[in-house]
Amino acid sequence: EAGVVQSPRYKIIEKKQPVAFWCNPISGHNTLYWYRQNLGQGPELLIRYENEEAVDDSQLPKDRFSAERLKGVDSTLKIQPAELGDSAVYLCASSLLSVTEQFFGPGTRLTVL
Amino acid sequence: KNQVEQSPQSLIILEGKNCTLQCNYTVSPFSNLRWYKQDTGRGPVSLTIMTFSENTKSNGRYTATLDADTKQSSLHITASQLSDSASYICVVSIGNEKLTFGTGTRLTIIP
Repeated sequence: EAGVVQSPRYKIIEKKQPVAFWCNPISGHNTLYWYRQNLGQGPELLIRYENEEAVDDSQLPKDRFSAERLKGVDSTLKIQPAELGDSAVYLCASSLLSVTEQFFGPGTRLTVL
Repeated sequence: KNQVEQSPQSLIILEGKNCTLQCNYTVSPFSNLRWYKQDTGRGPVSLTIMTFSENTKSNGRYTATLDADTKQSSLHITASQLSDSASYICVVSIGNEKLTFGTGTRLTIIP
């Protein structure tokens, strides 16, 4: 069974440019999470989806970050415009339900120059 | 602000030796505690999950202990292997929806 798929794996952009990350969760998983992990830190939740509904986006910097999960399957996280401080690994995770085990993807490492 | 503290920050041990990683938390109310292993360039992978009523949980050479009274957990690795080199993250949850991650312990196994 395929795990959580993320692309791209690496992205280097200049500040003020837009960037987008894509995540395809494990088939059948209703809950999808986006996390940001700074170097040497644990992941921090950005947004959680239950199917296509964003049920927790309290930590998402809404001035520049946006996310969507239109059909309740795959999801896209966008940053526009990117800032130097956005350099981090962006992890996607999914779970069958919000109360079951989360499975993480490999992450997208973003470098903003 | 972080309510899950881990120690040490980094650890280097010889292959074959045992080691113990520590986790102290202040998250309340507490639902369950997990230990994750995160290889470089990979996402975290769950090793153990314990509810507040469990004192110990094993997964092969990994044994996690939990003291809910003192709010401490440890992860013991027996007979370490080179493949154990990774970051180990302690995660405490309120329900299963809200996870609070520790900063991790970076473990390096040398031959």
